[in-house]
Amino acid sequence: AQTVTQSQPEMSVQEAETVTLSCTYDTSENNYYLFWYKQPPSRQMILVIRQEAYKQQNATENRFSVNFQKAAKSFSLKISDSQLGDTAMYFCAFMSSNYQLIWGAGTKLIIKP
Amino acid sequence: EAQVTQNPRYLITVTGKKLTVTCSQNMNHEYMSWYRQDPGLGLRQIYYSMNVEVTDKGDVPEGYKVSRKEKRNFPLILESPSPNQTSLYFCASSSGERTQYFGPGTRLLVL
Repeated sequence: AQTVTQSQPEMSVQEAETVTLSCTYDTSENNYYLFWYKQPPSRQMILVIRQEAYKQQNATENRFSVNFQKAAKSFSLKISDSQLGDTAMYFCAFMSSNYQLIWGAGTKLIIKP
Repeated sequence: EAQVTQNPRYLITVTGKKLTVTCSQNMNHEYMSWYRQDPGLGLRQIYYSMNVEVTDKGDVPEGYKVSRKEKRNFPLILESPSPNQTSLYFCASSSGERTQYFGPGTRLLVL
């Protein structure tokens, strides 16, 4: 069965610093999708970034980028120039050949002024 | 605006009183899904639908029903709610490009 592990329950950094959130997953499949979602205090679930496993190039979205290591089954999220509005729970999620998302337990990120 | 909407956003009810949480998307997505989120347990899938008239159980379907009569709507039905169904519920939809877009969530309290 596929699993997703986020080993950091909580992290905090100063505003403007760079922070990296870790995510590892376990699967025997070769084609899949990986996602990072953000859940701010409003509880809305917001897509941050996605990565297709067949693409070697790491995905980037403005200040957000991933380090996708397929062989190591690792999918970390880097947030550059962190802002107060980045304070949220961050969830890593895996999707295989069907549409079902397997979720990590989440990392609570606090950006301090 | 492309979005997934859920109603109601907040609901307090009593044990055994049937309720329906509606979900609608305007993106013409084939796939729709319901999740519940509980502290310390993350998101767990209740039911999903790959297309109209096609629904299937997720990881925690007990106590819930769904229907998919139209592409845009995917209501979640609790025939006889119990306190252990107190939770935050999310509806999501997706097209072939696989990204799931979430509704704003429905907070349900069953007394």
